[in-house]
Amino acid sequence: ELKVEQNPLFLSMQEGKNYTIYCNYSTTSDRLYWYRQDPGKSLESLFVLLSNGAVKQEGRLMASLDTKARLSTLHITAAVHDLSATYFCAVDIPFGGATNKLIFGTGTLLAVQP
Amino acid sequence: SQTIHQWPATLVQPVGSPLSLECTVEGTSNPNLYWYRQAAGRGLQLLFYSVGIGQISSEVPQNLSASRPQDRQFILSSKKLLLSDSGFYLCAWSVLPGPQQFFGPGTRLTVL
Repeated sequence: ELKVEQNPLFLSMQEGKNYTIYCNYSTTSDRLYWYRQDPGKSLESLFVLLSNGAVKQEGRLMASLDTKARLSTLHITAAVHDLSATYFCAVDIPFGGATNKLIFGTGTLLAVQP
Repeated sequence: SQTIHQWPATLVQPVGSPLSLECTVEGTSNPNLYWYRQAAGRGLQLLFYSVGIGQISSEVPQNLSASRPQDRQFILSSKKLLLSDSGFYLCAWSVLPGPQQFFGPGTRLTVL
């Protein structure tokens, strides 16, 4: 069974600190996405990682993908309160040639404390 | 630019009542369409996907069904709701060759 596991599930951190969220998956895939979800809201796309070694950065967030290790990381630098949200990784499993399927991780609830 | 709409935004329904949630996409043609459900405090689970009008694939057995009567319209239905159907329902779209899926605003369903 395909599994996508994130850790930690909950992260409380102080403003200004650095931390990393990990996303491990159990099948071969070259494509992985990170999404952000604010309470009661939909998912906002953060990063699209399409190959081994891909690294993307936006503001205080940086995502990377190691397809050989089946691992993606989301690194937070100098956290600010506005980053408080739930973060999901999703592994892309192509099938049928015409579509793809996203398997989502469990999510990491990030709370940045002043 | 492309936009995706879902309605209603919030719905409270009694057990055993029918359900119809609608999703429409604007600004693109022949999208792949998806229905996901997010239970409280959980991740997203893919329920249905569609690659074209009238083409529906189901990912999990359940008392829900989906239909695609038009190219950019995707409907999620149930004849009789269960308590376990409560959750946040998200519609998403993608267009080949891009793999990325884009999500709608969601419908929060509470079954009492």
